Amino acid sequence: KAGVTQTPRYLIKTRGQQVTLSCSPISGHRSVSWYQQTPGQGLQFLFEYFSETQRNKGNFPGRFSGRQFSNSRSEMNVSTLELGDSALYLCASSFQQSNTGELFFGEGSRLTVL
Amino acid sequence: DQQVKQNSPSLSVQEGRISILNCDYTNSMFDYFLWYKKYPAEGPTFLISISSIKDKNEDGRFTVFLNKSAKHLSLHIVPSQPGDSAVYFCAASSIGGADGLTFGKGTHLIIQP
Repeated sequence: KAGVTQTPRYLIKTRGQQVTLSCSPISGHRSVSWYQQTPGQGLQFLFEYFSETQRNKGNFPGRFSGRQFSNSRSEMNVSTLELGDSALYLCASSFQQSNTGELFFGEGSRLTVL
Repeated sequence: DQQVKQNSPSLSVQEGRISILNCDYTNSMFDYFLWYKKYPAEGPTFLISISSIKDKNEDGRFTVFLNKSAKHLSLHIVPSQPGDSAVYFCAASSIGGADGLTFGKGTHLIIQP
């Protein structure tokens, strides 16, 4: 069974640009959650999509957005990039909603903003 | 305000001994708790979970203890092995709520030979 796949794995952008990250969940999983990991803050919840609907959103500015497609694949977008957006972005999938069970994480997309 | 706290950024334990990782939470609505393990350049992987109706859950070398009155949980690894060296994240959620998992900042466990 294929795991959670995130693309791209690494990317470098400059301030002011925008970026789109992609996540393919485990087959059959309907929930996709996104987390930002930085050295000082640990894993911080960005948002969760369940059956194409945003279920909840963490405390991040509106520059961070996402969506989920009918095949459960998800994308997240960050516009007007800032230096502080440099982080590892992790996607996790689960069959049910994320607060009810185990999440399966991808390897992450490491974003560097220069 | 941090709702899930792991106050030890790192912990060093000798191989074969017991490793005890601690986690405190402040939100009394949390009723489901998990531990994840993360190696460098990999995503976190699920280790063990416990619901608030229990105070202990065991899986092989890993045992999680929950003290609801103290809002504290701990992960015990016995015996510790070199492959256990990783960052361990504590996470919590409210089963009946709408929010996702809330993670602590992690504890870096180092197993010394």
